[in-house]
Amino acid sequence: DAGITQSPRHKVTETGTPVTLRCHQTENHRYMYWYRQDPGHGLRLIHYSYGVKDTDKGEVSDGYSVSRSKTEDFLLTLESATSSQTSVYFCAISEFQGADTQYFGPGTRLTVL
Amino acid sequence: AQTVTQSQPEMSVQEAETVTLSCTYDTSESDYYLFWYKQPPSRQMILVIRQEAYKQQNATENRFSVNFQKAAKSFSLKISDSQLGDAAMYFCAYRNLGGGADGLTFGKGTHLIIQP
Repeated sequence: DAGITQSPRHKVTETGTPVTLRCHQTENHRYMYWYRQDPGHGLRLIHYSYGVKDTDKGEVSDGYSVSRSKTEDFLLTLESATSSQTSVYFCAISEFQGADTQYFGPGTRLTVL
Repeated sequence: AQTVTQSQPEMSVQEAETVTLSCTYDTSESDYYLFWYKQPPSRQMILVIRQEAYKQQNATENRFSVNFQKAAKSFSLKISDSQLGDAAMYFCAYRNLGGGADGLTFGKGTHLIIQP
């Protein structure tokens, strides 16, 4: 299994509070991704990173920001959480772009009350 | 933008039988990859099989094989000799090799039930 951890694994928070989710990898892979999974939607790309300090938006980036200050860590921040951001969040990594397989972390279940 | 459609929200099959899960996609690109991921109740996303669009030969991994029809933009997954451990959500996914945002585009998933 790819060495990917996510923290926290579960979190309950209130509307309007900031939340940061962390993805940590031990594979030294260049590319990292954040997805959210909602019933009836499959997984959707939020943001991705193609190197330290290099990030870009995905399909559902509104309300989210990311940072990557070192290769192994990719942070997802909800500046002011809303109930619509209640979801399961997955981090993924890949060594190369395009053709390479993405490997997923265990997921974080976030509930915004 | 690419889209991936899985038309079967749920499928049921008897243990040891064969089942086929459907997936269609829409893209204007010619170079891309297709994947099937499995998500058991543990929630972990597990790669089942992948197919390069430039390859005509269908990918096979043990009991799992695909029927890739590029012209029809169809990518179905066949599971032979179904086992209880195959019970899970199955997601079809597309990844473009060209420009634009990186990342996978997923279908909504098919819930596979294995009847003992």
